[in-house]
Formats: sequence, C-alpha cells, structure tokens
Amino acid sequence: AQRVTQPEKLLSVFKGAPVELKCNYSYSGSPELFWYVQYSRQRLQLLLRHISRESIKGFTADLNKGETSFHLKKPFAQEEDSAMYYCALIQSGGSNYKLTFGKGTLLTVNP
Amino acid sequence: GAVVSQHPSRVICKSGTSVKIECRSLDFQATTMFWYRQFPKQSLMLMATSNEGSKATYEQGVEKDKFLINHASLTLSTLTVTSAHPEDSSFYICSASGGLTGELFFGEGSRLTVL
Repeated sequence: AQRVTQPEKLLSVFKGAPVELKCNYSYSGSPELFWYVQYSRQRLQLLLRHISRESIKGFTADLNKGETSFHLKKPFAQEEDSAMYYCALIQSGGSNYKLTFGKGTLLTVNP
Repeated sequence: GAVVSQHPSRVICKSGTSVKIECRSLDFQATTMFWYRQFPKQSLMLMATSNEGSKATYEQGVEKDKFLINHASLTLSTLTVTSAHPEDSSFYICSASGGLTGELFFGEGSRLTVL
C-alpha cells in the first residue's frame, strides 16, 4: 500500500532562515509526488510536483528514489510562507489522480 | 487557475437528519471528482471517487449508504450524509481535475457539525 509520511507536525523557523519540510513515501511502483499548501483560511492548492522540476515561490523539492524522499526546501523563509504543507503521492500513470496525503506539517515563519 | 466551489461552507444539523454538500467546477468540466474527509489535526482521507454518469467508487471502510454521492453533470457532484450522527461531524473537501495538465483543484471545504 502506498503511504506518505511527514514526520514533523510543526516546524518553526525565523524569517530568512532555511527551511526543509520532510516527506518520505513508500510505494512499490514509480510514484508521482506533489506538495500542496494551505494558507490560513484558504483552500488547498498545488505548490509543486516533482515531474515539473520547477521552483515555486522559492520552494524546490527533489525526488530521491534511493531514500524514498521528497523533501521541500527553501533557502530563505518568508513570513508569508507560514501555512500547512501536505506531501502527496499518486500512482504514476494513473488517470484518476487519486492522491494519498501525508498528515501535513504546519510551518510557522517568525519575524 | 480553475475554480472548484463547495456549498455550504458550514452546516449545523440535528442528529438523524440528512445533509447535502455540493461541489461545482466553475470554469471547467470534470468527469471525475473526489471527496475527502479531514478530522481535526489529521490528514485528508479519500472517501470516494465520483464519476460523471456512473456510480461512485468508495474507499474501504466508507459506508456507501451513509455517504451518497451523485455526479449528475460534468460540473456538479453532491455528497449527502444520510441520517447524520455526531461522529459524522468533520470537514469535507472535494476536488476535481481539470485543464490540460489534469491538475487537481480543491474546493474550500464544508464543515459539518451534527448536534
């Protein structure tokens, strides 16, 4: 069964500090990994996906198949990055986008 | 990006009554929509996959007769919680895939409180 693990429920950093939100997954096939973000009082939205290999709002995430990880990183955190972050996995090639979510990490960036 | 809208955003009902939650894709057609449930301080759990024009596919452990899903059009899926009980109180979120990339877009969620 596929599983997504986010070991940290809470993460607090100061503005300008680097931040890394950890995500590990277990899946027998070749997965597609995503990071979703939910800002306060807003809906869940896609932040980035590993197949795009892009940087969104300064965040990047690299899929490490050897470590089965997809950690989200940003070199200099900003206060507006404070939000709930969810790592998610989908079976590669799946057509129905059935996502498995991690439990989420609440990031707080302090001034 | 595409917009998915849920209604109502909050609903309070008495135990034993039924509650319907709507999920609409506002500017795109969605043949597939998903319903999630989120308990406090926990992750989103997929309840069912709603397919336009056919029966929904429920995840293991989700009662089909309890959570009725209807996807009658390409822009609307409804979740009806039948004979609601306090333990059904939760945050229900829908999502739909749309656009060229098939990206998932989420509704704002509906908080159900059963007294």
